[in-house]
Amino acid sequence: AQSVSQHNHHVILSEAASLELGCNYSYGGTVNLFWYVQYPGQHLQLLLKYFSGDPLVKGIKGFEAEFIKSKFSFNLRKPSVQWSDTAEYFCAVNQNAGNNRKLIWGLGTSLAVNP
Amino acid sequence: GAGVSQSPRYKVAKRGQDVALRCDPISGHVSLFWYQQALGQGPEFLTYFQNEAQLDKSGLPSDRFFAERPEGSVSTLKIQRTQQEDSAVYLCASSLAAGAYEQYFGPGTRLTVT
Repeated sequence: AQSVSQHNHHVILSEAASLELGCNYSYGGTVNLFWYVQYPGQHLQLLLKYFSGDPLVKGIKGFEAEFIKSKFSFNLRKPSVQWSDTAEYFCAVNQNAGNNRKLIWGLGTSLAVNP
Repeated sequence: GAGVSQSPRYKVAKRGQDVALRCDPISGHVSLFWYQQALGQGPEFLTYFQNEAQLDKSGLPSDRFFAERPEGSVSTLKIQRTQQEDSAVYLCASSLAAGAYEQYFGPGTRLTVT
């Protein structure tokens, strides 16, 4: 079965530190890739997405992610985190095949940024 | 504009009871998804509608789970004879078009089965 692995379950950083959250998936075909964020008490919201083209994608709030096909990875990065980035981060993958629209999700990474 | 709304936000059911969870997608969105999120886990896909057609129900865990979207807008997820393992947050998401992959999520319904 296809799966998505997020390597870091809990990350604690100080403000201004750099962030990289790992995401690997197991599907070998064409994929659409997503990072979603859930701030405390709020809905899941899209941070960024990759469908095709430039493998380095930029999202909201200074986040970016790089798709490396050979490594089946889509790692999330931010050069300098802020206290307001404290949230749960989820990587999700859609297998781009036919009518398939479902997302397969990682377990999530809880990020705490200390002021 | 209005986002995806779900009701109730919280539901406590005794084991064996039936529950119905409602989702109002963003107006005009063609696709609607249901996910189940257990504590400390990522969401898990349950089912997907395109308009009123249920195109994928491969994630429904048992025949106690049933979803419908009769008029292609509001959707209801029904769980019959609830069990403790059904306790989770049930998330609804919608997307604009059949080919659009970006999903917009509601706040979820937290179901607790006692």
